[in-house]
Amino acid sequence: DAGVTQSPTHLIKTRGQQVTLRCSPKSGHDTVSWYQQALGQGPQFIFQYYEEEERQRGNFPDRFSGHQFPNYSSELNVNALLLGDSALYLCASSLGGGNTEAFFGQGTRLTVV
Amino acid sequence: EDQVTQSPEALRLQEGESSSLNCSYTVSGLRGLFWYRQDPGKGPEFLFTLYSAGEEKEKERLKATLTKKESFLHITAPKPEDSATYLCALVGGTSYGKLTFGQGTILTVHP
Repeated sequence: DAGVTQSPTHLIKTRGQQVTLRCSPKSGHDTVSWYQQALGQGPQFIFQYYEEEERQRGNFPDRFSGHQFPNYSSELNVNALLLGDSALYLCASSLGGGNTEAFFGQGTRLTVV
Repeated sequence: EDQVTQSPEALRLQEGESSSLNCSYTVSGLRGLFWYRQDPGKGPEFLFTLYSAGEEKEKERLKATLTKKESFLHITAPKPEDSATYLCALVGGTSYGKLTFGQGTILTVHP
């Protein structure tokens, strides 16, 4: 049973560019959440997708957007990249998106130069 | 606003030296308290979920407990392979599974 998979694992972008990160949830899961983790910090919630809709959003600007596809996979898009967007981006999947366990992928390390 | 504070920030133990990690929280209606383990450069690995005060869960050398204000992760006779960052997170009453994390405790176990 494949767990949560993310691609790519590493990415280097230039300030001002746009980036798309991808996530495939654990088999049987229908909810995908995205988190940003700066070095030495705990993950910060970006948003959650359920039934192809953004159900909840954290305190992130509109430059961060996402999408969920009918097969439950998801994309995170970040426009107009800033140096401060450099972080580990984590995708978590769960069933129903309530208080059930969330399982994380290995993350995408984004470096903005 | 939901808040999670973990202490200590870093903990160094000798192999076999038992200890505890603390997670203090404030929340409006706790729906779940979660513990994760994170190795450098990797995603968090799920360990435990606790739902109500008095609940305890165990897995190998780890035991998690929950009160109305805190959770503890007890590590009994740790081994070097237990070295990692341990993250505490909660889901509050007004969220659909949004995890609010603490900053983590970096555990180092020396042989």
